[in-house]
Amino acid sequence: DTEVTQTPKHLVMGMTNKKSLKCEQHMGHRAMYWYKQKAKKPPELMFVYSYEKLSINESVPSRFSPECPNSSLLNLHLHALQPEDSALYLCASSQTDRGDTQYFGPGTRLTVL
Amino acid sequence: AQRVTQPEKLLSVFKGAPVELKCNYSYSGSPELFWYVQYSRQRLQLLLRHISRESIKGFTADLNKGETSFHLKKPFAQEEDSAMYYCALSGLGETSGSRLTFGEGTQLTVNP
Repeated sequence: DTEVTQTPKHLVMGMTNKKSLKCEQHMGHRAMYWYKQKAKKPPELMFVYSYEKLSINESVPSRFSPECPNSSLLNLHLHALQPEDSALYLCASSQTDRGDTQYFGPGTRLTVL
Repeated sequence: AQRVTQPEKLLSVFKGAPVELKCNYSYSGSPELFWYVQYSRQRLQLLLRHISRESIKGFTADLNKGETSFHLKKPFAQEEDSAMYYCALSGLGETSGSRLTFGEGTQLTVNP
């Protein structure tokens, strides 16, 4: 399996809901990432996990809570989001966190009402 | 701080014409440069990276440290090359290497 998979593909949630995004890879990569991408803009880094430990948090609001249960899985827990959080959320993975190529998932299109 | 600049938001060429997408960077350490491509309704995918020195789909890019550039070139554009192209930078072999910084992107349209 040489792809990063993400579920769900689309998610619509209200501002009081709690939901989670899921990302999975089976390439043996030890670094995993969450990015946020707005329309016609480049991806913006949110979090980096290296060997299942959070190594970078780019000052992301606490309503986004990442979790890395094991080396293949990455979750992003969402709670009390704002409409401006609507975006495409991308997951990526790489061999290590030392400048290796990052491989991206297809993303979850999130709409916050 | 690391920074990537792609001066052209939009680029339009005719099929068979040469194409060059410009990318300039700013980084104090040893940079690793990438070109990613995003075709319509597809995931972001790696096109090529400096360290592997490959030619993918006819595209090449040379790292010019003197001019801090990593321009993407193809001698004969094809209609299927129409996509959004992002230049990206990370620190090679450094703990900051995970911080991949993207340029704003260039939307390439190849007309028939």
